[in-house]
Amino acid sequence: GEDVEQSLFLSVREGDSSVINCTYTDSSSTYLYWYKQEPGAGLQLLTYIFSNMDMKQDQRLTVLLNKKDKHLSLRIADTQTGDSAIYFCAESKGANTGNQFYFGTGTSLTVIP
Amino acid sequence: NAGVTQTPKFRILKIGQSMTLQCTQDMNHNYMYWYRQDPGMGLKLIYYSVGAGITDKGEVPNGYNVSRSTTEDFPLRLELAAPSQTSVYFCASSSSQPLLQHFGDGTRLSIL
Repeated sequence: GEDVEQSLFLSVREGDSSVINCTYTDSSSTYLYWYKQEPGAGLQLLTYIFSNMDMKQDQRLTVLLNKKDKHLSLRIADTQTGDSAIYFCAESKGANTGNQFYFGTGTSLTVIP
Repeated sequence: NAGVTQTPKFRILKIGQSMTLQCTQDMNHNYMYWYRQDPGMGLKLIYYSVGAGITDKGEVPNGYNVSRSTTEDFPLRLELAAPSQTSVYFCASSSSQPLLQHFGDGTRLSIL
């Protein structure tokens, strides 16, 4: 099966950087994603990276991919209280698996004012 | 933009009752999915569909059924509700190039 693992909790002070980590087991993953879930809401796609990339930056978000170690991270610069949420890492191998997605258990980020 | 719309948002069922969770998308996506999310857990795939008329089981299909008669709609049916099916249910659809998944706001279902 597919295993995507994340630490459960992270606390940071407002204005600091947050780094959320994720490990996955399947080296044939084609796409890797980060989603944000606020209380009582659905999952919102934050950013994604193709497996042939090492890094992607999008405003305050930086995604780093280490394929050798099967490690994905999400860095949020200048973390704000509105960033408090659960962050899910996910992977997909595309059409080879009917475009199925595999999710981690989520990291709950708490931003302390 | 409507995106992925799920109804109802909340529902309480008695054990043994049946119901259909509705999901519709207006993005002309071929791929659609149903997940359940239990407290402190990630998302578990129940069923998915790669196009109208085609459905496949995911990781946790027991107790559920789906149909996909149109591209837009992907209803999920619970025939005999059990307490273990108390959960938050999310419907999603995805484009294929790039492969990006969009979620509805969820249906919170309690079975008592």
